[in-house]
Formats: sequence, C-alpha cells, structure tokens
Amino acid sequence: GAGVSQSPSNKVTEKGKDVELRCDPISGHTALYWYRQSLGQGLEFLIYFQGNSAPDKSGLPSDRFSAERTGGSVSTLTIQRTQQEDSAVYLCASSLEKSSYEQYFGPGTRLTVT
Amino acid sequence: GDSVTQMEGPVTLSEEAFLTINCTYTATGYPSLFWYVQYPGEGLQLLLKATKADDKGSNKGFEATYRKETTSFHLEKGSVQVSDSAVYFCALSPSGAQKLVFGQGTRLTINP
Repeated sequence: GAGVSQSPSNKVTEKGKDVELRCDPISGHTALYWYRQSLGQGLEFLIYFQGNSAPDKSGLPSDRFSAERTGGSVSTLTIQRTQQEDSAVYLCASSLEKSSYEQYFGPGTRLTVT
Repeated sequence: GDSVTQMEGPVTLSEEAFLTINCTYTATGYPSLFWYVQYPGEGLQLLLKATKADDKGSNKGFEATYRKETTSFHLEKGSVQVSDSAVYFCALSPSGAQKLVFGQGTRLTINP
C-alpha cells in the first residue's frame, strides 16, 4: 500500500518568506508526527497529533513554526519568516493508535533558505 | 531531559566483519528503545525495537538487547554485507510519550 508522502520534495526559499510543507499519512493511521533533520541538531521532534486530542507542540523551536491537521488526515507544517537556520530536511511520520511505537516515515522535504 | 548517545561515525568495515554500534540512553521511567536505518536515497525505516528490560529486538540479522542496568541498547550483527551500508539511528520513546528522541546517527560503510 501507499506509504507516507510529503510535498514538495525540495523547497528553496528566500529568507523572510513563509513556507508550507505537506504530509499525507498512511490511510487509517491516527497519529502523525513532524521531525526535523539538520546537520547541527540531528533528528529533532517537532509536533505530534493524535486523533482529536490537542497536539503536543513541545518540540516546535519558535512561534514562527505551526502545524495543523485537517480532518484527521493531511497535515501542513508552516514556517513563517524563514531564517537560514531553518534549512533542514523536514520528516513526517504516522502510526496506528494502538501500535504507536512503530512510526512510518515519509521521504522528507528538503528546505533550503537562502 | 531524555537523550540518546550513540557511537560516532563514520564506521567502515569489510564484508563479513562483526558489527557493534554502541548506544546508551538517559531517560526517566521505562522508555521503549529502537534502531532505525536510513539507506542511501531512502526514508527512515524501523529496524528493530524492544519495549522492556532484557527484551531482545532482532531483524535482518541485527540484534539489540535492552539493558536497563547499563542503560544501553547496542546494535550487533555477526556478518555484515555491502547492502548494510546506511546510517543507523538509535532512538527512545519516553515512558508515557509518543515522540521519538534520536541519537546523532552512525554512518556505516561496508566494503566488499
């Protein structure tokens, strides 16, 4: 079956612009996660959605970062007023509620802020 | 806070060599432990997991044992192949939380 998909695969933007990154989880997966993979910081948790519960936003690095999940499926990560330090690969993962320990990752969006 | 420390790479071995990648963790409570692998050009994949002390996770010839007394989860394989070349990440899921906390990753290269 289809895995987690993310778009775009690559995004180059100018410093100060806003960007939106999209994630389509595996059908039927109720949990959705965003992570960031960068050279300096490794793999970092950003935010977690589970069903209709309030998201865990504890990993968002600043208030320029936000995410939403519409209809319990697709999620969008928005970065406002991008900075060069936001350059990274943004990974999305999803899992079943009852087996939330096994997360399935998408291919990522490589964001470059110039 | 919770953290994972894994052996720095890169690691280069010859085919059929024995592999160990060390991983230690700091966490409160009883985390679950994982090894994820990222093959060249591919996304992160779960390699194996262990959810309680003394559990052994295994997959594709790789093994790791959850050692609470030494807070470790070292990855081992008896005879590596060129196709095992990848970046390996040790991770934990804190008790009561759903997120993963990752180590820095270890790049493994196997030469024929």
